[in-house]
Amino acid sequence: AQTVTQSQPEMSVQEAETVTLSCTYDTSESDYYLFWYKQPPSRQMILVIRQEAYKQQNATENRFSVNFQKAAKSFSLKISDSQLGDAAMYFCAYRGNNAGNMLTFGGGTRLMVKP
Amino acid sequence: DAGVIQSPRHEVTEMGQEVTLRCKPISGHDYLFWYRQTMMRGLELLIYFNNNVPIDDSGMPEDRFSAKMPNASFSTLKIQPSEPRDSAVYFCASSPGTSGGNEQFFGPGTRLTVL
Repeated sequence: AQTVTQSQPEMSVQEAETVTLSCTYDTSESDYYLFWYKQPPSRQMILVIRQEAYKQQNATENRFSVNFQKAAKSFSLKISDSQLGDAAMYFCAYRGNNAGNMLTFGGGTRLMVKP
Repeated sequence: DAGVIQSPRHEVTEMGQEVTLRCKPISGHDYLFWYRQTMMRGLELLIYFNNNVPIDDSGMPEDRFSAKMPNASFSTLKIQPSEPRDSAVYFCASSPGTSGGNEQFFGPGTRLTVL
């Protein structure tokens, strides 16, 4: 079974600075997808960014980018120019190619942004 | 589209009572998922449906939990009888077909409190 591990329960960053959230996963599959979801205090789960395992290029969405290391099974999220609105829980998630769209989530990292 | 709709947003009930949570997925999505989120266990997949058919219910904690999807636009998660340990936020999510890294779109969640 796949597992997703987020080793940082909490992180803090100064506004306008850069922060990196870590995620590792365990799988025997070669083709899969990885996601980062954001959950602000409103509880709404919002997709931040996704990465296809077969793509070597790291995904980027505005201030959010990932460092995908397939051999190391690592998928970190970098947030540049942090804003107060980035404060939230961040969940890393894995989806196998034959998993019927099932997601396996990590335990989450709470990000605090200091003004 | 209004997104995934869940009702009620909050539910407070007494131990032993029946609880029914409702979900309307995004029109055209083939997959529907029910998750439970607690501080202790994080986000857990309870069950998911494909084209209204339950595919994997291995996450359903016990026989007190049941889920149905009578048609493509409606699903219910029922707990009978409810217990205090069922207190959690329950999310419904939907997703289009399996091509590509299709994301799951989450509803706002139902916060359940069992006294």
